[in-house]
Parts: sequence; structure tokens; C-alpha cells
Amino acid sequence: DGGITQSPKYLFRKEGQNVTLSCEQNLNHDAMYWYRQDPGQGLRLIYYSQIVNDFQKGDIAEGYSVSREKKESFPLTVTSAQKNPTAFYLCASSSQAVQETQYFGPGTRLLVL
Amino acid sequence: DQQVKQNSPSLSVQEGRISILNCDYTNSMFDYFLWYKKYPAEGPTFLISISSIKDKNEDGRFTVFLNKSAKHLSLHIVPSQPGDSAVYFCAASGTSYDKVIFGPGTSLSVIP
Repeated sequence: DGGITQSPKYLFRKEGQNVTLSCEQNLNHDAMYWYRQDPGQGLRLIYYSQIVNDFQKGDIAEGYSVSREKKESFPLTVTSAQKNPTAFYLCASSSQAVQETQYFGPGTRLLVL
Repeated sequence: DQQVKQNSPSLSVQEGRISILNCDYTNSMFDYFLWYKKYPAEGPTFLISISSIKDKNEDGRFTVFLNKSAKHLSLHIVPSQPGDSAVYFCAASGTSYDKVIFGPGTSLSVIP
């Protein structure tokens, strides 16, 4: 079954801690994206990657980091520098042919203790 | 400054009637528009799209209309069903862009 998986579904972060959200896809898509959703604000782009070993900052990259060592995987690290990390995080992917049509994972809800 | 706007945060419609969700954009470089549907605690799913060379695209109960001069698009759902209750995101992209810009979403409630 092709798709995007995100884990964990819920994640708790302590003050000053870095946490990593996992995103894996088996759709053979080149492009992958991380979004953050806050109430009333829609989806805001954190980072995106159009090819392995390359990624670009989105609109709200501060306090986050990513890596793209494999085509299938695009993990997002929420660092201690991100002062307001509580949100719903969505990973997506798309093919080069139709980049605009993105396929989303089920999301990870991050909560701060 | 939001480049894609959905000015109605929520909308309620009776089952069987038409739902009309509106979206406005500011950037004339956008030439491809999409609608996504999202249920709570799930990722959005692609619903329908339209290229700027068209003014209408239809897929079953869903029709998207594009008015380029007004920089406005709308999604019509007819007839509306309770399972259509979700948040609908309008999104836009352009040939000079390598990312998609999402609007804030409109929450649709279809009342049985």
C-alpha cells in the first residue's frame, strides 16, 4: 500500500529538549514538505526538499531543522530554539511531474510539557 | 500578508443543498489552484484542481470555478452530504514557484 506515514501520532516535549518527527513515503516522490497547522492559520510551510541531499527553508523555518539523506525519508527536528512548538505537524510529498498535488501524512501533534 | 485568503472561517449548510466555499488570491503569478479537504486529526487530501487556462472544472459533486480577473475561485458541492463536513483549504501555485501556498481554511458543517 503506497502512502505517507508519520510517527509518532502524539509527541511530548520538555523544556529545552529537541524532538524529531518522522516522515516516510513509499510513493517514489522526489519532493517532500513539512507544514505546521495552528488554529485559524491554515498550513504554514516549514521546510521542503525537492531532491535527496537538498532542502530549502519555508516561511517559518526558525527553530526547526531537517535532513534528506534518503528519498523516502524527511525527518523534522523541533529544536529548543522553537519557543512555541505546540502544533499539528503535517508531512507531505509530491511527484516532480505534478508538484502541486501533495499527498499528506496523518500528522503528529506535538505538545509541550 | 496572506496571498491566499478564505474569508469565511466557517459555513453551515443543510444536507442536499449547495455548499459554496470562496477563495481570493492576491498574486497574479498564480496559475494553478487546488482544493484540499481535511478531517480532524488527519492530513488533508487533494480534492480538485484547476489551471488558469480554464474557468471551470467538474468532478462528480464538486465543481471549481475560477475568475481570473477578480482573482477569485469557488468550490461548489452539490448536493451536500454530512460526510462533506470538514475543513476545506484553498491553495495556489505558479510556474515560477516551487511551493504551494495554502489559505487558512473554511470549516464546512453539513446538517442532516
